[in-house]
Amino acid sequence: NAGVTQTPKFRILKIGQSMTLQCTQDMNHNYMYWYRQDPGMGLKLIYYSVGAGITDKGEVPNGYNVSRSTTEDFPLRLELAAPSQTSVYFCASGPGSSGANVLTFGAGSRLTVL
Amino acid sequence: AQSVTQLDSHVSVSEGTPVLLRCNYSSSYSPSLFWYVQHPNKGLQLLLKYTSAATLVKGINGFEAEFKKSETSFHLTKPSAHMSDAAEYFCVVSDGDDYKLSFGAGTTVTVRA
Repeated sequence: NAGVTQTPKFRILKIGQSMTLQCTQDMNHNYMYWYRQDPGMGLKLIYYSVGAGITDKGEVPNGYNVSRSTTEDFPLRLELAAPSQTSVYFCASGPGSSGANVLTFGAGSRLTVL
Repeated sequence: AQSVTQLDSHVSVSEGTPVLLRCNYSSSYSPSLFWYVQHPNKGLQLLLKYTSAATLVKGINGFEAEFKKSETSFHLTKPSAHMSDAAEYFCVVSDGDDYKLSFGAGTTVTVRA
């Protein structure tokens, strides 16, 4: 049972390049999330999805895009990479139902933009 | 709106001594509260959760937390620290129907031999 799988684990980008962070879950969870983690700042929500075909912005969506064509996959797209997007990115999924919405996290993707 | 404040950015304890990590929250509704742990270069893992049942919640690895509505607190404790407890800990709050979670800034725990 793999849980939440993120790829790549590490990536270095040049300013202005584009890339996609992949996220797949095998728990049939409806809810999926992308967070970024910066030192001393906790986790900030970038985008989330409550089901296939439905996405919504979180706290820090600028510079990112997402899609949710299937229940399993929730890729995060960076169109024009900027140094401010240097961070560790976590994908998570959960079953929903508010208080019972315990999240399962991927291992993270460390992105550096130079 | 919901928010979380973790009162200590760093806690250092000796192995075998108690650990206390402090968390205060703000919520417009009856909140759900969680503690997650992150070991170095790993994803976050659930330690325990409070969802309006018993106010004293027991989690994995000997951790427990007490929900105190009057103090809007959800402090995490462990009677005896182990070297493997060295990690970063996050307090998290979720309002009623809001499926989005708010994370605290985290507390880094160091355990001295």
